[in-house]
Amino acid sequence: DTGVSQDPRHKITKRGQNVTFRCDPISEHNRLYWYRQTLGQGPEFLTYFQNEAQLEKSRLLSDRFSAERPKGSFSTLEIQRTEQGDSAMYLCASSPNGLAGYNEQFFGPGTRLTVL
Amino acid sequence: AQSVTQPDIHITVSEGASLELRCNYSYGATPYLFWYVQSPGQGLQLLLKYFSGDTLVQGIKGFEAEFKRSQSSFNLRKPSVHWSDAAEYFCAVVLTGGFKTIFGAGTRLFVKA
Repeated sequence: DTGVSQDPRHKITKRGQNVTFRCDPISEHNRLYWYRQTLGQGPEFLTYFQNEAQLEKSRLLSDRFSAERPKGSFSTLEIQRTEQGDSAMYLCASSPNGLAGYNEQFFGPGTRLTVL
Repeated sequence: AQSVTQPDIHITVSEGASLELRCNYSYGATPYLFWYVQSPGQGLQLLLKYFSGDTLVQGIKGFEAEFKRSQSSFNLRKPSVHWSDAAEYFCAVVLTGGFKTIFGAGTRLFVKA
């Protein structure tokens, strides 16, 4: 399967712990996005990478959140000192080059985070 | 403030009936417009998108959407709904030249036999 993959699919952690999620985009896609989705809401944009460069970051992303894409391939999203409000589905998407913002984004299955 | 509004939280239609899901956006200029579908346990999938040209856009699975600039709307339609269309539908926009995608809150579609 050559779609977007995310690992882990589920994560349960205790408040105050750090967690890290991984996203592997479609191999030829150089654009990568992270979103957060809570129950009953649409995905909220978190951040965007063009290759290894993080070009845009939402104000939703507090200092406890950091994302990297060191070699322009896979990406990681880390949350430090997790809070119960961080419980959500974290989605990754990738898209190919082309007209900026207009390309179809291909979404992964998401990582569901539960903070106890 | 920039926003995307989907007024209907959920809609129930009978199988074979027509469907229209509403989407309104609030931006200074016409953004890129998208409709995505999210089926239970599956990732979001693009149904169709619009940037310019013919205001009636055809998508996958028999869906279409009409862009109306005067109403800042991009409503999704399907002439005959199938039970497999039961899912959550999201309208989304991207400012032209940008990358940040703004999603609406979604409309959950229920299909009854």
